Amino acid sequence: QVELVESGGGAVQPGGSLRLSCVASGFTFRTYGMHWVRQAPGKGLEWVAIISNDAKSVSYGDSVRGRFGISRDNSRNILYLQMDSLRKEDTAVYYCARKDISGWAIDYWGQGTLVTVSS
Amino acid sequence: QSVLTQPPSASGSPGQSVTISCTGTSNDVGGSNYVSWYQQHPDTAPKLILYEVNKRPSGVPDRFSGSKSGNTASLTVSGLQAEDEADYYCSSSAAINKLLFGGGTKLTVL
Repeated sequence: QVELVESGGGAVQPGGSLRLSCVASGFTFRTYGMHWVRQAPGKGLEWVAIISNDAKSVSYGDSVRGRFGISRDNSRNILYLQMDSLRKEDTAVYYCARKDISGWAIDYWGQGTLVTVSS
Repeated sequence: QSVLTQPPSASGSPGQSVTISCTGTSNDVGGSNYVSWYQQHPDTAPKLILYEVNKRPSGVPDRFSGSKSGNTASLTVSGLQAEDEADYYCSSSAAINKLLFGGGTKLTVL
């Protein structure tokens, strides 16, 4: 079965950096595009970034562009999110999510990892 | 970051039908066949319930249906059940290689 397991969340001060990881299993990772989606406490979902299956194409949401970087290691089935220049408003649960094979739906989600940006 | 517009809340009694709207623009919902809906229960990850406007993943009851007219997509939950009480989010592809989410609708089963 498809499984996505995030790690790397935690508390960090404003201006700091953090790298999230997502280990994928149960499917052919190199075949699928992958997203990061976040959810601030008590708030709605916000799309963060997407990376194509071959890592040749990436795109970011307006609020993180220039500060966050999405990448992947298809040899190890791992998705990453490098987060720099963190702000208080980046506090959220970050979900690793699989893009469906042919469209724009997110067909599987991880359980999420909490990032707290606070002084 | 632009957000698709959903009503913050909706409600219905068991057995009734409820429709939740998701309004965007011609650059997203109106110009895309890739509208999806997600169900999220408290403290859990979202779950895909509809994709490409009106298609259901395996295992999702046919009580959940979707449609689109112009810049507005809709999710209808028929025969409401207690377990349908959750937050619902729409999403749509937008521009080149971008995804937008709606602000979410809290569905209450009375």
